[in-house]
Amino acid sequence: EAQVTQNPRYLITVTGKKLTVTCSQNMNHEYMSWYRQDPGLGLRQIYYSMNVEVTDKGDVPEGYKVSRKEKRNFPLILESPSPNQTSLYFCASSLRPQANTEAFFGQGTRLTVV
Amino acid sequence: AQSVSQHNHHVILSEAASLELGCNYSYGGTVNLFWYVQYPGQHLQLLLKYFSGDPLVKGIKGFEAEFIKSKFSFNLRKPSVQWSDTAEYFCAVNANFGNEKLTFGTGTRLTIIP
Repeated sequence: EAQVTQNPRYLITVTGKKLTVTCSQNMNHEYMSWYRQDPGLGLRQIYYSMNVEVTDKGDVPEGYKVSRKEKRNFPLILESPSPNQTSLYFCASSLRPQANTEAFFGQGTRLTVV
Repeated sequence: AQSVSQHNHHVILSEAASLELGCNYSYGGTVNLFWYVQYPGQHLQLLLKYFSGDPLVKGIKGFEAEFIKSKFSFNLRKPSVQWSDTAEYFCAVNANFGNEKLTFGTGTRLTIIP
């Protein structure tokens, strides 16, 4: 089954404790991205990757890192989480970086930083 | 940069009522347009998309949307809603060239009263 898989689904952590949210897709998609969803703000892109070893900042990259060592995986790293990073995070992938393909989303990771 | 406006933040309807959710975008060039739905506790799923051709597009579950280029609009419609349509609906746009990201509206929460 074609899917985007994120782990964990729920995470509560303390300020400053490094964490990684994993994302994996099995569709051989080139383009992957991370979004955060906050009430009243919709989804905002954090980082994206057009292919292996090619990543770039989205709209709200501060406090986050990503890597793309393999085509299927695109982890999101919070080196020193802060409470303002409490949010719902979605990973997405699409076939090509070009625009006219749809994005597939993971199930989401609800992160709480205390 | 493109932007998307969804003016209806929360819509409450009775079952069998007709639905229209507004979406306006700002971008001077050719765009691709999407509507995603997020059922409670779930990830985003594609309802329908417009890339080119017939401006009236039909999606899943009886939804349709009409692209009106002169109005920069892509409103979502359904003639008769069901309780199971209760969800949050997001309009999104990306530019029809290059590697543009999806830009989302802030979402419209739809509540259907049985």
